[in-house]
Amino acid sequence: DQQVKQNSPSLSVQEGRISILNCDYTNSMFDYFLWYKKYPAEGPTFLISISSIKDKNEDGRFTVFLNKSAKHLSLHIVPSQPGDSAVYFCAAAQGGSEKLVFGKGTKLTVNP
Amino acid sequence: GAGVSQSPRYKVAKRGQDVALRCDPISGHVSLFWYQQALGQGPEFLTYFQNEAQLDKSGLPSDRFFAERPEGSVSTLKIQRTQQEDSAVYLCASSLVRGEQFFGPGTRLTVL
Repeated sequence: DQQVKQNSPSLSVQEGRISILNCDYTNSMFDYFLWYKKYPAEGPTFLISISSIKDKNEDGRFTVFLNKSAKHLSLHIVPSQPGDSAVYFCAAAQGGSEKLVFGKGTKLTVNP
Repeated sequence: GAGVSQSPRYKVAKRGQDVALRCDPISGHVSLFWYQQALGQGPEFLTYFQNEAQLDKSGLPSDRFFAERPEGSVSTLKIQRTQQEDSAVYLCASSLVRGEQFFGPGTRLTVL
């Protein structure tokens, strides 16, 4: 029973275009969401987060949108760069807990 | 060092052997987490420490798995009588405040 779902195993975009990575969750008690990026043979690296009291958070080229009614969040990368090619994980935490629940990841490939 | 370090980076064990995996968190980080990542999956929570106290061990798959952090800094994850299904990457993360967790590179365990 996956509480955090990333339904697209892979995504391919052209350099300079927008990348949109999606994530759905089932647990309405989640109140904090994060995106991590992972290169092969390295640990996940934190990208951006959003609290459930917000619907958008922006940091440079990265924007995360949260739609609580749909239990959906998305990560937008604009413009996409070849160095963004990696596996992206969506993660969520429940109120009062520090434990993260991860999705299975989406492999993004940005083509030059 | 500036980041979370883990050792060994790779471990091959024969089925039935005991293994010990080490994690050095970022200095001053109060919280420490262990995750297990199987091939093609996202990280799955194993256990969590706040200083030396193990506050949550709900993710440990069996009583063959044991974690400790005796002085509130370095942590060791021990797996007794390893089985093939224990083969995975074991990730350690630390954090100062709730939310962003900083991950180490992981230990890839292969049980033959």
